Formats: sequence, structure tokens, C-alpha cells
Amino acid sequence: EPEVTQTPSHQVTQMGQEVILRCVPISNHLYFYWYRQILGQKVEFLVSFYNNEISEKSEIFDDQFSVERPDGSNFTLKIRSTKLEDSAMYFCASRPLGGNRQPQHFGDGTRLSIL
Amino acid sequence: RKEVEQDPGPFNVPEGATVAFNCTYSNSASQSFFWYRQDCRKEPKLLMSVYSSGNEDGRFTAQLNRASQYISLLIRDSKLSDSATYLCVVSYAGGTSYGKLTFGQGTILTVHP
Repeated sequence: EPEVTQTPSHQVTQMGQEVILRCVPISNHLYFYWYRQILGQKVEFLVSFYNNEISEKSEIFDDQFSVERPDGSNFTLKIRSTKLEDSAMYFCASRPLGGNRQPQHFGDGTRLSIL
Repeated sequence: RKEVEQDPGPFNVPEGATVAFNCTYSNSASQSFFWYRQDCRKEPKLLMSVYSSGNEDGRFTAQLNRASQYISLLIRDSKLSDSATYLCVVSYAGGTSYGKLTFGQGTILTVHP
């Protein structure tokens, strides 16, 4: 069964440094998402991406965050200057065409630790 | 009021038991509903979509009541492998929304021998 893959599985970074989290969505999917989950808290939406542009973003997704689909397969999340509170599990998700009834499929996440 | 609210539990049940989880959502324009399960420090995995008429998948039954903005999940004949956090998830698509998912905080289930 095709799956969403994320790299790295764990990223440790000094506060203030830039970090790029990478995702390869399922190949025939057209909608892409990033979510995060702070330890012990619920999963929170960050951003959705369709047709090579951001379609929606949350209040969390401020100027320090950006997303890109540099080629036909990768989907990246960049945090320009990391803060301690960015420490969380980051999940990438994708879904095909067919309306919102189509469930999103999640990658196994990147654990980001900011020191 | 929280957008999606669940009883956090934990629910501790013996193998073979039947257990039910409830969930309420605040946005009446919500369109799609799901139950995901999440194992410790893992990604959410789709358990089942929830349809207006209710639906069943093996030991799992989901119900939706749009008038009350209420969703439920029933697990029959619980297995040890059912131990996980169950996430009630709602999707709203309107205006510029492209189906972002809104998660409840999850209900923890532990099934013991």
C-alpha cells in the first residue's frame, strides 16, 4: 500500500537555526498538509497546499514558516529561526481528489527537538 | 467551546468488552467526519470514515447525529491490540478551506487481559 514518507525521523536543532522537514506524499495525491503535535497535546493543523500554493494556514503558521513543493514528489516545511516552542512532532498528510470525504493519509512524522 | 470535544478517559476495559466513545463538534457546517487511532508517539491512522446513516467495519460501528453535532464509536469484543488513543476528527470545507482536519484531544483506551 502506498504511503507518505517523512525524513528525518528525528531532528535536533539549536534555537535560532533553520530547519527543513521533508515529505514525499502519495504519488497520485493532490492536496498536501502539515500538522504538528506538541507532546501530550492534540494534533493541530498548520497549512494546506494545493495547485502549488498555500490554500489555508493556521495562526501557528506565521512568517517563520514556509512550505514548498520543489519538484514533483517532495513537499517541505521550513522553519526559518526555530524557537523552543517549536519542539513537537510534525506530520505530513496527503489526500487525492474527490472532496473532503477522502481521508488524509499521514506520514510517520518527524520529531523536532529544539535545544 | 472547543471545536471538537472528546472524553479523554482513560478507559480501561477487559478483553471482550464493548466500549463506546463520544465526541461533539461545534461547527455546524462541518462536512466530513472520521475516527483515527494513534498509538504512542506514532502517526494518526484512519480507522473509519463516519457517514450520516451510520456505518460498521467489523467490530467497529460509527454513528453521526448532525442535529446534535455528535459522533460516536462503538468497539465490540475488544482486543489487546485495540489499546490506543482514539481521535475524533472533523473536516470543514467552505470558503477557502481545503479540508483541514480538526482533531479532538483523543480518548485513551487500554484493553487488559
